[in-house]
Amino acid sequence: DGGITQSPKYLFRKEGQNVTLSCEQNLNHDAMYWYRQDPGQGLRLIYYSQIVNDFQKGDIAEGYSVSREKKESFPLTVTSAQKNPTAFYLCASSIGTGDLLNTEAFFGQGTRLTVV
Amino acid sequence: SQKIEQNSEALNIQEGKTATLTCNYTNYSPAYLQWYRQDPGRGPVFLLLIRENEKEKRKERLKVTFDTTLKQSLFHITASQPADSATYLCALDGDTDKLIFGTGTRLQVFP
Repeated sequence: DGGITQSPKYLFRKEGQNVTLSCEQNLNHDAMYWYRQDPGQGLRLIYYSQIVNDFQKGDIAEGYSVSREKKESFPLTVTSAQKNPTAFYLCASSIGTGDLLNTEAFFGQGTRLTVV
Repeated sequence: SQKIEQNSEALNIQEGKTATLTCNYTNYSPAYLQWYRQDPGRGPVFLLLIRENEKEKRKERLKVTFDTTLKQSLFHITASQPADSATYLCALDGDTDKLIFGTGTRLQVFP
């Protein structure tokens, strides 16, 4: 089955710890995205990547880091510098960007991160 | 920066009626606009895309309009059903090739 997979579904983190959320896609998509969603709010863009070994900050990148060493993988690290990390995190991919960014984004099922 | 506004209040309608959701945007002229459905605890699912040179797009019971002068898109669900109850998000292509989303509108269809 082709798709985009996030793991784990639920994640608990102690204050002061870094934690990495996994996102893998087998759709052969060039573009990948990380969004954060808080209760009653929309999706806010954290980071996005248009191609392997390249990524750009979104609107709320502070306290987060990413890597794009492989086309199919775009892991997100929530660092201890993120002051309010408890949220629902969504990863997405699409065929491409620029003129190709007129196709739909495919989302994973999300990771719910809770700081304890 | 680009801003997308959707009605944050839930829309409650009776089964069989047409639901109309609004998406307004400012500070940008997107090349296209997309609509997604999100169920609780799940990732959004793509529904429709409409380009700037298109006035209207239909898919089964769904219809989307795009008015670049008003900077507004309307999303209609005709003959609505309880199974249509969900949060609906609009999204557009921001500058530097990023996809940005509105806050979503929750639709509740009651029998």
